[in-house]
Amino acid sequence: DGGITQSPKYLFRKEGQNVTLSCEQNLNHDAMYWYRQDPGQGLRLIYYSQIVNDFQKGDIAEGYSVSREKKESFPLTVTSAQKNPTAFYLCASRTGQAHGTEAFFGQGTRLTVV
Amino acid sequence: AQSVTQPDIHITVSEGASLELRCNYSYGATPYLFWYVQSPGQGLQLLLKYFSGDTLVQGIKGFEAEFKRSQSSFNLRKPSVHWSDAAEYFCAVRAGTALIFGKGTTLSVSS
Repeated sequence: DGGITQSPKYLFRKEGQNVTLSCEQNLNHDAMYWYRQDPGQGLRLIYYSQIVNDFQKGDIAEGYSVSREKKESFPLTVTSAQKNPTAFYLCASRTGQAHGTEAFFGQGTRLTVV
Repeated sequence: AQSVTQPDIHITVSEGASLELRCNYSYGATPYLFWYVQSPGQGLQLLLKYFSGDTLVQGIKGFEAEFKRSQSSFNLRKPSVHWSDAAEYFCAVRAGTALIFGKGTTLSVSS
């Protein structure tokens, strides 16, 4: 089945460690996104990529990094510079062919700093 | 700047009653608008979308939304709520290549 797969579903990190969240899609979508969700905050854009080997910062990129080496994959690294990384992280993708197309979301990764 | 406002943080509706969730947007050009639903610990599922044309759009699960340009609104409605509709609902507007989301409305359904 086509879709977006995020792994792992739950992730625990010690303070000072970097962790990488995986996002893979087999929808042949050009654009991919990472959002962070906190209670009462809605979804805030971290990074997005419209094409392989290119990506742009969103509203809250500090402390995060991404890569887009393959069309299917858009991993997010939460670095030790991110002061409050505990959150629910959502990956999404969208075809870049038309303006009105919607984004499809993965099931999310819940990151907890211990 | 583009933005989405969902004025109601939490709404409780009796099962079988009608529902309206409010959404106001700020966007200079023709907006592309979306409503998503999220169950606890899950990703977001698209309910419906508006691009152009008919201002009343139908979605999945019996939901509909009406686009009103004069009021910059895109309110979500359902004639009769079911207990399984309890979830968090997000309104979003397409701004450039990304989606901007409101902060969400949590719907509780009472029996």
